[in-house]
Amino acid sequence: SAVISQKPSRDICQRGTSLTIQCQVDSQVTMMFWYRQQPGQSLTLIATANQGSEATYESGFVIDKFPISRPNLTFSTLTVSNMSPEDSSIYLCSVIRGEQYFGPGTRLTVT
Amino acid sequence: QKEVEQDPGPLSVPEGAIVSLNCTYSNSAFQYFMWYRQYSRKGPELLMYTYSSGNKEDGRFTAQVDKSSKYISLFIRDSQPSDSATYLCAMRESSASKIIFGSGTRLSIRP
Repeated sequence: SAVISQKPSRDICQRGTSLTIQCQVDSQVTMMFWYRQQPGQSLTLIATANQGSEATYESGFVIDKFPISRPNLTFSTLTVSNMSPEDSSIYLCSVIRGEQYFGPGTRLTVT
Repeated sequence: QKEVEQDPGPLSVPEGAIVSLNCTYSNSAFQYFMWYRQYSRKGPELLMYTYSSGNKEDGRFTAQVDKSSKYISLFIRDSQPSDSATYLCAMRESSASKIIFGSGTRLSIRP
């Protein structure tokens, strides 16, 4: 299994600002994943983060809007930049260790 | 058409009832099928994992995959109030490919 923690657990932010979400895993993993879960919708993969290389973004997501850092094998950050109300969502960090495990999520509300 | 379709519910049943949750999909290349359970304000946790067609049982939970019909099911026997959660189906083509999630079914078990 994998134990994943995220900070913050929730935040309310103003339009136009940025928020950085942190993800910490209990032991080293090669790939970390960032998902978005909008109300009533399925989990959508934003990007895959490998340590020591640029993140790989899915269609519809760009680095300028969602910059990702992966400084080591147990930690990653996702920044939601220049936020709008449409960015209100739950953001989840995930790793694969045998199976796929998820963090508790960061609930973001943009006003 | 979405790759994975799942009735969002909500589904409310009395305690002790048998619950049936279902997903349909369009991609015949999907080989791995999962069910995740997500409690309120928590990340999804893996509940059941099935490869290809057939049934898999784990305690009160049974997962069924019918690849000919592109249809998967999760049955919960002797349902308990603690089973109240959102259940997400998920699937992927191979062990290395991206997971596609359903939108989740919100289940409530009435005491």
